[in-house]
Amino acid sequence: DGGITQSPKYLFRKEGQNVTLSCEQNLNHDAMYWYRQDPGQGLRLIYYSQIVNDFQKGDIAEGYSVSREKKESFPLTVTSAQKNPTAFYLCASSIGTEGYYEQYFGPGTRLTVT
Amino acid sequence: KNEVEQSPQNLTAQEGEFITINCSYSVGISALHWLQQHPGGGIVSLFMLSSGKKKHGRLIATINIQEKHSSLHITASHPRDSAVYICAVRGQGAQKLVFGQGTRLTINP
Repeated sequence: DGGITQSPKYLFRKEGQNVTLSCEQNLNHDAMYWYRQDPGQGLRLIYYSQIVNDFQKGDIAEGYSVSREKKESFPLTVTSAQKNPTAFYLCASSIGTEGYYEQYFGPGTRLTVT
Repeated sequence: KNEVEQSPQNLTAQEGEFITINCSYSVGISALHWLQQHPGGGIVSLFMLSSGKKKHGRLIATINIQEKHSSLHITASHPRDSAVYICAVRGQGAQKLVFGQGTRLTINP
């Protein structure tokens, strides 16, 4: 079955620790995205990647870092510099970044930092 | 003002009712997406449209480009339709989606 996997579903960390969220897709999509969702707010784009070894900042990239060494994988690191890291994180992919391509979403990772 | 506004924010209805969720946007777009997010958090793409109307089962999505407005309709609603419905648009020439805040729909049996 083709799809996007994110692991783990729930993640707990102490303040001051970096944490890496996994996102893997077997859809052969070039573009991948990371979004953050907070209660009562729309999804906000953190980073996106149009192709391997390339990525761009989204609207709220501060305190986050990504890598795209393989087409299938787009891990997100939440660093200790992120002021409010507790949130629901969604990874998505699409064939390309043009408007007529659908985005496919992973199941999400709920990160709690205390 | 947000680029994408959805109404209502919350909607509760009885099983069988006809449901309408609205989305208004302020920029020229290349595509509009309707997404469904279930309580577990996973998001499913329902429709992507740039003009006219699309239908899938009991779901219908329409868009009026001139008025910058889209609607999602659910006919014969069922408790399993309970979810958050999200509208998202991609501006012309833009590489990213802009999301509405979502409409939380609850269908009571």
